[in-house]
Amino acid sequence: DGGITQSPKYLFRKEGQNVTLSCEQNLNHDAMYWYRQDPGQGLRLIYYSQIVNDFQKGDIAEGYSVSREKKESFPLTVTSAQKNPTAFYLCASSRTLGMGYEQYFGPGTRLTVT
Amino acid sequence: QKEVEQNSGPLSVPEGAIASLNCTYSDRGSQSFFWYRQYSGKSPELIMFIYSNGDKEDGRFTAQLNKASQYVSLLIRDSQPSDSATYLCAVALNTGGFKTIFGAGTRLFVKA
Repeated sequence: DGGITQSPKYLFRKEGQNVTLSCEQNLNHDAMYWYRQDPGQGLRLIYYSQIVNDFQKGDIAEGYSVSREKKESFPLTVTSAQKNPTAFYLCASSRTLGMGYEQYFGPGTRLTVT
Repeated sequence: QKEVEQNSGPLSVPEGAIASLNCTYSDRGSQSFFWYRQYSGKSPELIMFIYSNGDKEDGRFTAQLNKASQYVSLLIRDSQPSDSATYLCAVALNTGGFKTIFGAGTRLFVKA
């Protein structure tokens, strides 16, 4: 069964702690993405990666870091430098070539920082 | 600033009616257009994509694209209460890189 998994589903952390969100896909997609969604707002791109060992900043990368050591995995670290980290975090993947690079999403991780 | 605009709603329609969801975009270089459905507390689910001007039908869903007017819409025929969700419009810019911009979504409520 192909798809994208994210863990954990819910995450609670104290201010000042770094936290890493997991994202794994078995769709054989080259590109992977991290978005953040806040209530009443659209998805905002944090980071994306087109190939292994390469990634680019999105629109709101400050306070976040990523790695792409394997094609299947794209973990996101929310650092203590992120001013307002409480949000719904969504991982997505897509093919890279041609017109058909529609993105498919994982189930999301809801992060609450107090 | 490249933008994708949607009416936030809620759009309320009776069961069995046609729901019409609209989206406008600002960048004329946009080439791929997507509609996602997002139930409350869940992640977005891709329901339609369209690349060419005109209509594309898939079951009860029809996507309509008019590049000259920079307008894309989603029609849902025979609306069901289970269609009640937020619908996100997304537009991809084919700039050699990867840039998909999402609208904030329209909340649809189908009354039984």
